Amino acid sequence: GDSVTQMEGPVTLSEEAFLTINCTYTATGYPSLFWYVQYPGEGLQLLLKATKADDKGSNKGFEATYRKETTSFHLEKGSVQVSDSAVYFCALPASGGSYIPTFGRGTSLIVHP
Amino acid sequence: GAGVSQSPSNKVTEKGKDVELRCDPISGHTALYWYRQSLGQGLEFLIYFQGNSAPDKSGLPSDRFSAERTGGSVSTLTIQRTQQEDSAVYLCASSSGTGYDEQYFGPGTRLTVT
Repeated sequence: GDSVTQMEGPVTLSEEAFLTINCTYTATGYPSLFWYVQYPGEGLQLLLKATKADDKGSNKGFEATYRKETTSFHLEKGSVQVSDSAVYFCALPASGGSYIPTFGRGTSLIVHP
Repeated sequence: GAGVSQSPSNKVTEKGKDVELRCDPISGHTALYWYRQSLGQGLEFLIYFQGNSAPDKSGLPSDRFSAERTGGSVSTLTIQRTQQEDSAVYLCASSSGTGYDEQYFGPGTRLTVT
């Protein structure tokens, strides 16, 4: 079945540092790929998505490129802010006969001033 | 427009009591999901609704858990005879498709069983 593997957290950075959160996936075919973000005390919200190979999703300074050859969708930001402190989830949509999306375990990001 | 709402936002209950958690999805969204998120953990799928039917309830952890959806809209998750291990944040999400699309999450209900 489909699976998503994210790097373990927490990731702790100083403000203005460069961020990478790794995500690799196993899936049948070429699904869309998602990154969700969960701020403290809130539900998840879509951060960005890519629908086909080599697509780059971007939002709020975050970017991720759909790499079919390495089955990866790593999240990057050039200069993080304290307000980016949150948990980030990489996700696959439902596929085949399942209606259930597949989420990674989440990576906690802590940004210090 | 209005997003997904959940109530209550917090619920503290004594062990052995029953609780009901409510989810109001985005209007027109046919798919509705319940997840559980324990402290520091990822998302645990509980149940999926398409309209008023639940084609997949494989994630419900025991027969103490049940859920229904009425009018293709509001859903209620009921936990009977609550146990301390039921303490978690319960998240509801809706989408316009069948899981192939983006999900829209509510803010969650934090359940604490004492």
